[in-house]
Amino acid sequence: GAVVSQHPSWVICKSGTSVKIECRSLDFQATTMFWYRQFPKQSLMLMATSNEGSKATYEQGVEKDKFLINHASLTLSTLTVTSAHPEDSSFYICSARGTEAYEQYFGPGTRLTVT
Amino acid sequence: QQPVQSPQAVILREGEDAVINCSSSKALYSVHWYRQKHGEAPVFLMILLKGGEQKGHDKISASFNEKKQQSSLYLTASQLSYSGTYFCGTEAVETDKLIFGTGTRLQVFP
Repeated sequence: GAVVSQHPSWVICKSGTSVKIECRSLDFQATTMFWYRQFPKQSLMLMATSNEGSKATYEQGVEKDKFLINHASLTLSTLTVTSAHPEDSSFYICSARGTEAYEQYFGPGTRLTVT
Repeated sequence: QQPVQSPQAVILREGEDAVINCSSSKALYSVHWYRQKHGEAPVFLMILLKGGEQKGHDKISASFNEKKQQSSLYLTASQLSYSGTYFCGTEAVETDKLIFGTGTRLQVFP
């Protein structure tokens, strides 16, 4: 149980285009979802927290107009990187927490490369 | 403020033990431990919810000192499969978000 999927696994896009990443909880309802970004050889940095049906809360330094987060249902959250640039290339990982669990379950991650 | 882990890196021979420490500047509600292999997402190891709580499975265990805002992960009789980067994730008392520590890279050689 407690499986979280992400799609796509990897994406290569040209500078200036937008990319959408989906995060789904497959066998539980996720009241809260989290988005992290990880650069090579660094730790995971929390970008934002989203609760179903409400606006995401962004961490300091994360541009909310550039990283659009939508948590439309209890099983789906999306992250859209708008007007992507090479410096946005990174490993993006989502996690989800259910109503009765303290643990966060992580998706497999999406590797974004912007050329 | 990101939790600080020590050491930054550890090299072990199979069968040796290691301790990884995680220290936070904030009052903590919980501490989570994860292991990440290169190119993969973190894998959940365990969560400690109460001050003074200790947990373990197989030969990996952890403790949580709530007063000192610290947690330690103990790896005994290490195996090759233990290689990876270990992260603690801390949840502060006033928030519901998990902040990851600086990471500890562990390499186990035959």
